[in-house]
Amino acid sequence: GAVVSQHPSRVICKSGTSVKIECRSLDFQATTMFWYRQFPKKSLMLMATSNEGSKATYEQGVEKDKFLINHASLTLSTLTVTSAHPEDSSFYICSARDGDRPSNEQFFGPGTRLTVL
Amino acid sequence: GENVEQHPSTLSVQEGDSAVIKCTYSDSASNYFPWYKQELGKGPQLIIDIRSNVGEKKDQRIAVTLNKTAKHFSLHITETQPEDSAVYFCAPPSGAGSYQLTFGKGTKLSVIP
Repeated sequence: GAVVSQHPSRVICKSGTSVKIECRSLDFQATTMFWYRQFPKKSLMLMATSNEGSKATYEQGVEKDKFLINHASLTLSTLTVTSAHPEDSSFYICSARDGDRPSNEQFFGPGTRLTVL
Repeated sequence: GENVEQHPSTLSVQEGDSAVIKCTYSDSASNYFPWYKQELGKGPQLIIDIRSNVGEKKDQRIAVTLNKTAKHFSLHITETQPEDSAVYFCAPPSGAGSYQLTFGKGTKLSVIP
């Protein structure tokens, strides 16, 4: 149980295009989902927190108009990187909190490798 | 917010030896202490966690110990195997009652066959 999937696993796009990444909880209802980015050999940095049906809360320094997050259902959250540039190239990872489990436990997806040319 | 320090940043051990990684946090109200393992190119996987009402928890070769007074918790891996090679992160909550986690900088563990 507690499986989180991400799609796509890797994407290459041209500078200026937008890319959408999906995060799904497969066997539980995710009341809260989180989006992280991770640069090579670095730790995970929280970008934003989203609760189903409400606007995402972004961490300081993260542009909400560039990284659009939608959490429209209890099993799906999407991150759209708008007008991507090479500096947006990174490993994006989502996680989800199961509302029926102890509150802090998060389950992570496999990540999406974004490369912007 | 929570300040998290993790040591060491790299650790090499011979297969069969033990490995210990320590995580220090700042928020005395924290009550959840997880350890994650991340293999290259993959998302983190929860390997063990402990809550503040318990001092130690074991799961086969993996254990976590908690010292709330000193505000640190440690990951212990015994009888290390090559497949234990990975990056390990501690990630206590970002504040009392917060659902967010604050990740340490990670420890790259290499188990030498």
